[in-house]
Amino acid sequence: QVQLVESGGGLVKPGGSLRLSCAASGFTFSDYYMNWIRQAPGKGLEWVSFISRSDSRIYYADSVKGRFTISRDNAKNALYLQMNSLRAEDTAIYYCARPVNDYGGFDIWGQGTMVTVSS
Amino acid sequence: DIVMTQSPDSLAVSLGERATINCKSSQSLLYSSNNKNYLAWYQQRPGQSPKLLIYWASTRESGVPDRFSGSGSGTNFTLTISSLQAEDVAVYYCQQYYSTLYTFGQGTKLEIK
Repeated sequence: QVQLVESGGGLVKPGGSLRLSCAASGFTFSDYYMNWIRQAPGKGLEWVSFISRSDSRIYYADSVKGRFTISRDNAKNALYLQMNSLRAEDTAIYYCARPVNDYGGFDIWGQGTMVTVSS
Repeated sequence: DIVMTQSPDSLAVSLGERATINCKSSQSLLYSSNNKNYLAWYQQRPGQSPKLLIYWASTRESGVPDRFSGSGSGTNFTLTISSLQAEDVAVYYCQQYYSTLYTFGQGTKLEIK
């Protein structure tokens, strides 16, 4: 079935780095834009980053610009988020999400992977 | 960035009664070339990933019960649950996709009275 599975979360010290992965299955991954969205503990949803089908267009939220890098490998049906210079405020569940069409909303979400930034 | 503001922050409704959640955007989400409003609604139950309910402001996602409906245009939108069921207890979010710098509302927590 159509599925997204995130991995790579964990505990990291402030200033550290982490790389998240999202494995897609059950659909033609290369046909879809993809996104990362996060949710801090007990808080609302925050969009983090967007990548187009061929990674020709990439966007970031101001809160992560210059520190996070989104990428994808269509041959491996995989989405990535390289997170550098991590801060305590980056602590959150990170979801990958697929839009229902070229624009959104997001009809397929992964289960999320928890990132904790703490000394 | 487009700011999305939901009201109320929380509400309690009796089973079988109507629940109404509002969402206001800081700029119009109506794209004139296709007359579509670039707005979605989500439901997030405790411990679960968000679930898409409505997109294009009023198009119900496949499999979503017809007691859920979306309305509005421009900058003012509404999610209505016509007859509240116990399984509708959740936090509801609106989201704009007019700008690729997507933004969500702060969420509305819906409980049973």
